[in-house]
Amino acid sequence: EAEVAQSPRYKITEKSQAVAFWCDPISGHATLYWYRQILGQGPELLVQFQDESVVDDSQLPKDRFSAERLKGVDSTLKIQPAELGDSAMYLCASSLTGVHGGGYTFGSGTRLTVV
Amino acid sequence: AQSVSQHNHHVILSEAASLELGCNYSYGGTVNLFWYVQYPGQHLQLLLKYFSGDPLVKGIKGFEAEFIKSKFSFNLRKPSVQWSDTAEYFCAVNALNTGFQKLVFGTGTRLLVSP
Repeated sequence: EAEVAQSPRYKITEKSQAVAFWCDPISGHATLYWYRQILGQGPELLVQFQDESVVDDSQLPKDRFSAERLKGVDSTLKIQPAELGDSAMYLCASSLTGVHGGGYTFGSGTRLTVV
Repeated sequence: AQSVSQHNHHVILSEAASLELGCNYSYGGTVNLFWYVQYPGQHLQLLLKYFSGDPLVKGIKGFEAEFIKSKFSFNLRKPSVQWSDTAEYFCAVNALNTGFQKLVFGTGTRLLVSP
């Protein structure tokens, strides 16, 4: 079964440092999502790509977060500088034709701890 | 903006007990509805989904959910839980006709099944 790949699995960083996460969606999936899941809460959408274009980044803290999907395939989410409140699980998901494709396929996530 | 409420944050059951987890959403238009499960240390997995048709949908592992449009609800049920059902359960909604499709998640219900 095809999977969404994410790396690293775990990341510990000091506050004010830069950190980056990588996601490789299922081949052929045009839509890619980055979610943040704070402990005890549900996933919250940060940014949504359709191919290489951002279609929704309304919840992305743009002063410190950036995301790109240059060739419309894999994607990178960056935080600079990291803050203590950024500690969370960062989830990537992809879908074939948006949600109508049957929902998303999620990756295993990157658990970020900022110290 | 659409939102999802899961009123039970923690549920503890004994094996063979029946399960019902509540989910309510706020959006007056057409919706797609989903339940996801997250087993300890694993990624989010789709349990079941409702797009249209029969409001009683059956998913994997004996789970089912009923869409009641008049109550804006999509409750998850299982007649007899097993220890292996211990996990966190998330309800999610996609509001149609709102531009690019995205899932909005509830805060989750943590289920503990004791043997």
